[in-house]
Amino acid sequence: EAQVTQNPRYLITVTGKKLTVTCSQNMNHEYMSWYRQDPGLGLRQIYYSMNVEVTDKGDVPEGYKVSRKEKRNFPLILESPSPNQTSLYFCASSLPGTANTEAFFGQGTRLTVV
Amino acid sequence: AQKITQTQPGMFVQEKEAVTLDCTYDTSDPSYGLFWYKQPSSGEMIFLIYQGSYDQQNATEGRYSLNFQKARKSANLVISASQLGDSAMYFCAMREREKLVFGKGTKLTVNP
Repeated sequence: EAQVTQNPRYLITVTGKKLTVTCSQNMNHEYMSWYRQDPGLGLRQIYYSMNVEVTDKGDVPEGYKVSRKEKRNFPLILESPSPNQTSLYFCASSLPGTANTEAFFGQGTRLTVV
Repeated sequence: AQKITQTQPGMFVQEKEAVTLDCTYDTSDPSYGLFWYKQPSSGEMIFLIYQGSYDQQNATEGRYSLNFQKARKSANLVISASQLGDSAMYFCAMREREKLVFGKGTKLTVNP
């Protein structure tokens, strides 16, 4: 089954404690991205990757890091989480290059930073 | 400037009636794609329908259709014969090359 898998689904952590949210896709997609969803703001892109070792900032990259060492994995790293990073996070993947490619989303990770 | 505008924070519809969710977009790229996603209370993002900028006909997928008016830069989602299970958040999104940009969403409530 084609899918994007995020882990964990739920996470409560304390300010400053480094964490990683994993994302893996089994569709051999080149393009992967991370979004955060906040009430009234819709989904905003954090980082995206067009292929292995190619990453770039989205609209709200501050406080986040990503890496793309393998095609299937695109982890999101919060080096020093703060309460304003409490949000619902989505990973997505798609084929590259054309406008008509659907994005497949993971199940979401609900992060709370206290 | 906002790329995707959804002007209806919330909408209500009676079961079995049709409802239109509005979406306008802004782009100077001649090649783009427009998408609608559904997000039920469980949180997952479900792809509903796609419309390409060069498509001559409006997209349809079952009870979902997209009213695409290119000159007006609008891509409204029409849900026919609403069901209780249609109650959810609905997001319009536009893809320009690699980037997918979302609107702020419309919360649809279907009343029995």
